[in-house]
Amino acid sequence: GEDVEQSLFLSVREGDSSVINCTYTDSSSTYLYWYKQEPGAGLQLLTYIFSNMDMKQDQRLTVLLNKKDKHLSLRIADTQTGDSAIYFCAETPSGGSYIPTFGRGTSLIVHP
Amino acid sequence: EAGVAQSPRYKIIEKRQSVAFWCNPISGHATLYWYQQILGQGPKLLIQFQNNGVVDDSQLPKDRFSAERLKGVDSTLKIQPAKLEDSAVYLCASSLAGTSVGEQFFGPGTRLTVL
Repeated sequence: GEDVEQSLFLSVREGDSSVINCTYTDSSSTYLYWYKQEPGAGLQLLTYIFSNMDMKQDQRLTVLLNKKDKHLSLRIADTQTGDSAIYFCAETPSGGSYIPTFGRGTSLIVHP
Repeated sequence: EAGVAQSPRYKIIEKRQSVAFWCNPISGHATLYWYQQILGQGPKLLIQFQNNGVVDDSQLPKDRFSAERLKGVDSTLKIQPAKLEDSAVYLCASSLAGTSVGEQFFGPGTRLTVL
């Protein structure tokens, strides 16, 4: 079955870059997503990448996909204290079902 | 545009009691989802509705959980009777039908504690 793995914690200094990594097992994944969850709030879609792409950039966010290694990363440039949150990697299988399988989330802590 | 609304935000009950959660999706969103998020884990789908019909309820523990979306708009999720392991955040999400990306918009969740 599908499985999505993430490291649990990442601590960075304000202004540095953050890189959050994710591995997945389903080779038929169609879309891969990064969601952000702030305390007491629901998940917010940050960005997504289609499986035939290897990179996507959106302002401070860069997503890299290595389909051969089933590895996805999210780079946040110039990390701010407001970026402190839990970041979830998720993937959806091929076949039209857009039900994502989520990882356990990486807690990003940004120090001033 | 108003987001996904959920109530209550917090609920504390004793085991074997019943509880119900309510969700109002974004206006015009035909698809509605209920997820269970246990502390330290990612959300797991319980049930998906398309309008007032169930698309996927394969992960819903039907002996104690039920959900309905009678008029194709808001939805309720019920647990009867609750167990200790049901302690979690219950997230509701909605999306436009037929979206290719599958972007889901999440509500703030209901945090359930079963004592």
